[in-house]
Amino acid sequence: GEDVEQSLFLSVREGDSSVINCTYTDSSSTYLYWYKQEPGAGLQLLTYIFSNMDMKQDQRLTVLLNKKDKHLSLRIADTQTGDSAIYFCAESETGNQFYFGTGTSLTVIP
Amino acid sequence: DTGVSQDPRHKITKRGQNVTFRCDPISEHNRLYWYRQTLGQGPEFLTYFQNEAQLEKSRLLSDRFSAERPKGSFSTLEIQRTEQGDSAMYLCASSRDRCHGTIYFGEGSWLTVV
Repeated sequence: GEDVEQSLFLSVREGDSSVINCTYTDSSSTYLYWYKQEPGAGLQLLTYIFSNMDMKQDQRLTVLLNKKDKHLSLRIADTQTGDSAIYFCAESETGNQFYFGTGTSLTVIP
Repeated sequence: DTGVSQDPRHKITKRGQNVTFRCDPISEHNRLYWYRQTLGQGPEFLTYFQNEAQLEKSRLLSDRFSAERPKGSFSTLEIQRTEQGDSAMYLCASSRDRCHGTIYFGEGSWLTVV
């Protein structure tokens, strides 16, 4: 099956930038996503990128894609305490099935 | 605008009992997905519907699991003869055709099998 790997934990100080990394194995991935999950809640789509792009910026969020290395990152500028959550990377070839990583737990220290 | 709605939010059941979860997608979304998430893991795909047709099923969906979407609107996920290993959060999501990433998740239904 498709493997999506993420580091488990990240801790940053409020106001700093956070960078969450993800690697995937499926070279046929067409769509790559970042989702946010707060405790006890469902997943909120933050942003996505097509595999023919290498960068996408959306307000405080910047997604970088290195397709050669199959590496995706999410940078959150000016990280706030409300950004504390679990962040999931996901990929899909067809837009039907989505394969998620295990999630990175981001803790923002005031 | 109502999002994806799931019911019940929490369910505790004894091993061997049957449980059913309901999902109401965003109106006019003709794709509906079921995922399962266990503690410390990302969501795992179970199945998806295009209108009333169930188009894909994961190998994770054993014969004790059945999903339906009879009128192409709400969907139910039934688990028969529950086992402790079924304890998880069951997530429903919906999207329009060819969503290009805009898949919207509900809050999930927590199942605990004791």
